[in-house]
Amino acid sequence: GAGVSQTPSNKVTEKGKYVELRCDPISGHTALYWYRQSLGQGPEFLIYFQGTGAADDSGLPNDRFFAVRPEGSVSTLKIQRTERGDSAVYLCASSHSGGTDIQYFGAGTRLSVL
Amino acid sequence: GESVGLHLPTLSVQEGDNSIINCAYSNSASDYFIWYKQESGKGPQFIIDIRSNMDKRQGQRVTVLLNKTVKHLSLQIAATQPGDSAVYFCSGGYNKLIFGAGTRLAVHP
Repeated sequence: GAGVSQTPSNKVTEKGKYVELRCDPISGHTALYWYRQSLGQGPEFLIYFQGTGAADDSGLPNDRFFAVRPEGSVSTLKIQRTERGDSAVYLCASSHSGGTDIQYFGAGTRLSVL
Repeated sequence: GESVGLHLPTLSVQEGDNSIINCAYSNSASDYFIWYKQESGKGPQFIIDIRSNMDKRQGQRVTVLLNKTVKHLSLQIAATQPGDSAVYFCSGGYNKLIFGAGTRLAVHP
């Protein structure tokens, strides 16, 4: 079936605005992950969901960042009061059951905060 | 703390040659490691993984070697092709993957 889908592919916003980034994982995958990748760097972990619950949110940089997965499938990453430093590619990944199951990544959402 | 890092930021090879990309990890890093390939504008793509109870694992044209004594792993690509040009990341962990900065592999005809 289809891979991990992320929308939008690009998002341009102004400093101080609110944004939502969406992730559709591979069907049947219970684990879902969000990472952030700055230019020239490797992905940086943000949060991990197992089903509907956030099993590990230790990577969220501050309380402006929040993520939900209400039905255990689609997830939304929400960023309040965006700052220029939030500009990055936000990657979503899913795996079958978590642990050492392979994480399959989407193409990411490029967020630009002006 | 946990860290995974790469020795070289760029690697340039001739088409048909073998490529070796190296990675080091810290004491507290995971005993499970994964290599990902990332092409421009795309998300990371799984290549191969290895657990700490193994020294070597082979896939199609790729081999990962793990040296636990010096906390080092490498990715070997045989007969490198232009399609192999990408940034390669080593990573480690369960669920929460920790990535290095990546090595850019450039394949020249």
